[in-house]
Amino acid sequence: EPEVTQTPSHQVTQMGQEVILRCVPISNHLYFYWYRQILGQKVEFLVSFYNNEISEKSEIFDDQFSVERPDGSNFTLKIRSTKLEDSAMYFCASTPREGTEQYFGPGTRLTVT
Amino acid sequence: AQSVAQPEDQVNVAEGNPLTVKCTYSVSGNPYLFWYVQYPNRGLQFLLKYITGDNLVKGSYGFEAEFNKSQTSFHLKKPSALVSDSALYFCAVRPRTGFQKLVFGTGTRLLVSP
Repeated sequence: EPEVTQTPSHQVTQMGQEVILRCVPISNHLYFYWYRQILGQKVEFLVSFYNNEISEKSEIFDDQFSVERPDGSNFTLKIRSTKLEDSAMYFCASTPREGTEQYFGPGTRLTVT
Repeated sequence: AQSVAQPEDQVNVAEGNPLTVKCTYSVSGNPYLFWYVQYPNRGLQFLLKYITGDNLVKGSYGFEAEFNKSQTSFHLKKPSALVSDSALYFCAVRPRTGFQKLVFGTGTRLLVSP
């Protein structure tokens, strides 16, 4: 069964550094999302992406964040200058054209030191 | 604004007993409703959804959920709990229009004892 994949599984970075989190959504899906989950807290929406542009973003998704679909398969989240409070599990998700539920990847644990 | 409430941080149940994990929501219109499960160090796995029709929906691993429009609730149930059901359960909603974000509850930890 097709799955959303994410790399790396764990990323450790120093404050102020740029990080890129990578996702490969399920191949025939058209809608893509990033969520994050700070340890022990609920899953929060960051951004949704459709037709090569952002369709919605939350207040968390400030100028330090960007998303890109550089080719037909990858979907990336970039944090330009990481802060300690960016430490969280980041989940990528995708939805097919006619679907309703979102399929989540296993997540990337980002630790900012 | 959309919101989802899961009033219990943790639910404890003995193996073989029925379980219920509660969820209420506040969303305008008739949203789509979902349950996801998260096992330790894993991602979110889709369990089931309510779109329309029968108020009792069945999902993976023997779970089901009951939609109650008047009470704006979508409680997760299972007739007989297994120790392996122990995990973190999230209720989520999204509007019917477009492919919009999921709004999650705070999660309920289910602990099934042998």
